[in-house]
Amino acid sequence: AQSVTQPDIHITVSEGASLELRCNYSYGATPYLFWYVQSPGQGLQLLLKYFSGDTLVQGIKGFEAEFKRSQSSFNLRKPSVHWSDAAEYFCAVGPPSGGSYIPTFGRGTSLIVHP
Amino acid sequence: EAGVAQSPRYKIIEKRQSVAFWCNPISGHATLYWYQQILGQGPKLLIQFQNNGVVDDSQLPKDRFSAERLKGVDSTLKIQPAKLEDSAVYLCASSSYDKTSGANVLTFGAGSRLTVL
Repeated sequence: AQSVTQPDIHITVSEGASLELRCNYSYGATPYLFWYVQSPGQGLQLLLKYFSGDTLVQGIKGFEAEFKRSQSSFNLRKPSVHWSDAAEYFCAVGPPSGGSYIPTFGRGTSLIVHP
Repeated sequence: EAGVAQSPRYKIIEKRQSVAFWCNPISGHATLYWYQQILGQGPKLLIQFQNNGVVDDSQLPKDRFSAERLKGVDSTLKIQPAKLEDSAVYLCASSSYDKTSGANVLTFGAGSRLTVL
């Protein structure tokens, strides 16, 4: 069965600093990979996704993520964090099965941004 | 396009009472999902519909949870009777087919927060 591990429950960074959120997955083949962001009281918004091809994917709001097959990782990065980036971030994995998938989510990482 | 609509946004009930949540997906989205998100955890899939048929309900506690999507558009999720551990945010999502990747891309609603006392 597929699974997702986000080892960091909380991450604290200063505004303007760089950010990296870790995500490791367990799946027998190359899965579909996603990062979602959830602001307080809101639903999940898709930041970016990886299906195939270039292992460095660009998303919205200046985020990017790199798929590393050898490490079973899909870490999220941003070069300069803004205070508005404070939110909960979820990594998700889904099997590429028949053109559809059901994402399995990690437990999330809470990003705290200090001014 | 309009997003996924959910109601109510908040609901407080006592244990053993019943509650229902409603979801209106994005127009034209054939696939609809209900997720349960307990505080401090990631969302967990409860049920997936394709049009008005159930694709996956393996994690739905069927002794107390039920869901329907009668006309392949709106959906309702019901809990009866509620337990304390049902306190969570119930997220509805719908998906469209991404031609480039050959996969479905989910769009989530804002969620319905349930507190069971």
